[in-house]
Amino acid sequence: KNEVEQSPQNLTAQEGEFITINCSYSVGISALHWLQQHPGGGIVSLFMLSSGKKKHGRLIATINIQEKHSSLHITASHPRDSAVYICAVEDYGGSQGNLIFGKGTKLSVKP
Amino acid sequence: DTAVSQTPKYLVTQMGNDKSIKCEQNLGHDTMYWYKQDSKKFLKIMFSYNNKELIINETVPNRFSPKSPDKAHLNLHINSLELGDSAVYFCASSHGGQYNQPQHFGDGTRLSIL
Repeated sequence: KNEVEQSPQNLTAQEGEFITINCSYSVGISALHWLQQHPGGGIVSLFMLSSGKKKHGRLIATINIQEKHSSLHITASHPRDSAVYICAVEDYGGSQGNLIFGKGTKLSVKP
Repeated sequence: DTAVSQTPKYLVTQMGNDKSIKCEQNLGHDTMYWYKQDSKKFLKIMFSYNNKELIINETVPNRFSPKSPDKAHLNLHINSLELGDSAVYFCASSHGGQYNQPQHFGDGTRLSIL
């Protein structure tokens, strides 16, 4: 069993829909990262959080440390949001910066 | 003004050859990483260097040897390439010395072994 599980694996939405991607993990963590991988392959860091909630434009990330769960929300989705969204955790007992990755959620937003 | 740059972007070579991938960052970070993304798009850390010193070395074959001539560079040399080495390799950097630092990724190097 992977230490970081994401759901769903694939997600198709219509433009304008509210989207939620979930991430559950089994280790104690110091931080959780949400990354976006574009169709061209580049990876961008969206959020890094260790508690509560962060918002950037139409993206919101939340984390519940007790439940070992995080969600990434996209409001008013747009075709340009189509990408793979990857959850990664920094294991509290591991080396600094050692990220353990989920398998990603492939999002496709149709116009 | 690219933050983390990798070269080459694509690398096609024969089995058994030796090749290098270069990575440079201009963000003033002191920690750099190499990740491998396999054919199923799963990312996994290979190495991490902080101030030119190795701090993470996952179970990677010793055919892979990272080299950090200074804090801004972390190159990856691979000897005797095998078919299973075909993947996309990503370099990244962050401020080290503490947890909870965002990582900045390069665009990746797609390595194909014939």
